[in-house]
Amino acid sequence: GQNIDQPTEMTATEGAIVQINCTYQTSGFNGLFWYQQHAGEAPTFLSYNVLDGLEEKGRFSSFLSRSKGYSYLLLKELQMKDSASYLCATSGGSYIPTFGRGTSLIVHP
Amino acid sequence: GAVVSQHPSRVICKSGTSVKIECRSLDFQATTMFWYRQFPKQSLMLMATSNEGSKATYEQGVEKDKFLINHASLTLSTLTVTSAHPEDSSFYICSAARQALSGGEKLFFGSGTQLSVL
Repeated sequence: GQNIDQPTEMTATEGAIVQINCTYQTSGFNGLFWYQQHAGEAPTFLSYNVLDGLEEKGRFSSFLSRSKGYSYLLLKELQMKDSASYLCATSGGSYIPTFGRGTSLIVHP
Repeated sequence: GAVVSQHPSRVICKSGTSVKIECRSLDFQATTMFWYRQFPKQSLMLMATSNEGSKATYEQGVEKDKFLINHASLTLSTLTVTSAHPEDSSFYICSAARQALSGGEKLFFGSGTQLSVL
């Protein structure tokens, strides 16, 4: 099975940087995804990591350490529209992502 | 990006009735679609994998006779909640990938259906 742990809620200030951590335990590993989900909407893809290291994509970066079962999503220059839930998901033997509970990020002025 | 259309977006029904939710891939063929359920402030839970032209694969604990899945074409999968009860009230989301999952293929999600059973 797969077990994913991430903080329930975080708050940050507009313009700041925030790091959302995710730890996982999985039988079989074929990558880690981050998705963004606004309330009442479908998740949208942010990033995919399968090798160790940092992947940067604009204001968002994602890091993976397979040996530690750890990932983080880094959001820079926070904007109000970044207030959303951020879902960490691992891909196991079946390649179908298994999602964590999500971290609700609140960005305030 | 790829588009997955899901409707209805919201449905309110009486207990005991059946509700059908449609999921369409608009600009690609999806041999496999996935149905998730999400309760408030909870994670997306995979309910079943819908395979075109064959029976769906259900996750443990999901009643296949209650949640009927039909994947009759490469662009359409339907989920029917039969004899719905208040505990079935949830956010149901479908998703699809452009090609067979083999690592890294991102899922494209429908907009979700909020089901409320009175």
